[in-house]
Amino acid sequence: QSVLTQPFSASGTPGQRVTISCSGSSSNIGSKNVNWYQLIPGTAPKLLIFSDIHRPSGVPDRFSGSKSGTSASLAISGLRSEDEADYYCAAWDDSLNAWAFGGGTRLTVL
Amino acid sequence: EVQLVESGGSVVRPGGSVRLSCAASGFTFDDFAMSWVRQVPGKGLEWVSCISWSGDSADYADSVKGRFTISRDNAKNSLYLQMNSLRAEDTALYHCASHGGTCHANFDYWGQGILVTVSS
Repeated sequence: QSVLTQPFSASGTPGQRVTISCSGSSSNIGSKNVNWYQLIPGTAPKLLIFSDIHRPSGVPDRFSGSKSGTSASLAISGLRSEDEADYYCAAWDDSLNAWAFGGGTRLTVL
Repeated sequence: EVQLVESGGSVVRPGGSVRLSCAASGFTFDDFAMSWVRQVPGKGLEWVSCISWSGDSADYADSVKGRFTISRDNAKNSLYLQMNSLRAEDTALYHCASHGGTCHANFDYWGQGILVTVSS
């Protein structure tokens, strides 16, 4: 059971906008920065969003992050086939004194 | 270009030991904290351990505390994970990752990972 809760799967057609949620508590998302990662089998995980809303250089602006209270979201607009991947949220947890990850969301581009 | 390349993975019997290495290049290694994060096949990510830029302090997940030891050699731009008293549930793909600062900062860059299989 993951500390952060994500939907198991999400899907959309090319060009659509998809949102992936991440729910936590006051000891993690509620008080710490949320980061989002993209995992494609056979490649190194990639940082998509850091500190809730910021994109590293090189990440397309189709990817955006938001946070409210103890929940965060990753939005992907203009969906493309290469966006098909697993997406994970992460935040430091002060109660656990450890990094907490979501269970991951498998995004399928139909 | 930042590169993190893990090595040392193998098949090991329960109770055995293995040492993972991570070679870093393309950034100032001794400016940043480093972590190991594992992914159980077909399951999610689990943070394992983090070490400060200087190597003076380290944190561990409860699941590995007392069995795993993280270390680094800044002169060699290398990170290590000594894994002892291995259990079947330690079977996973182990990634090394750099932080954007301290252990509490985001994971900036990741390696592709190295597989450790614990099986009799």
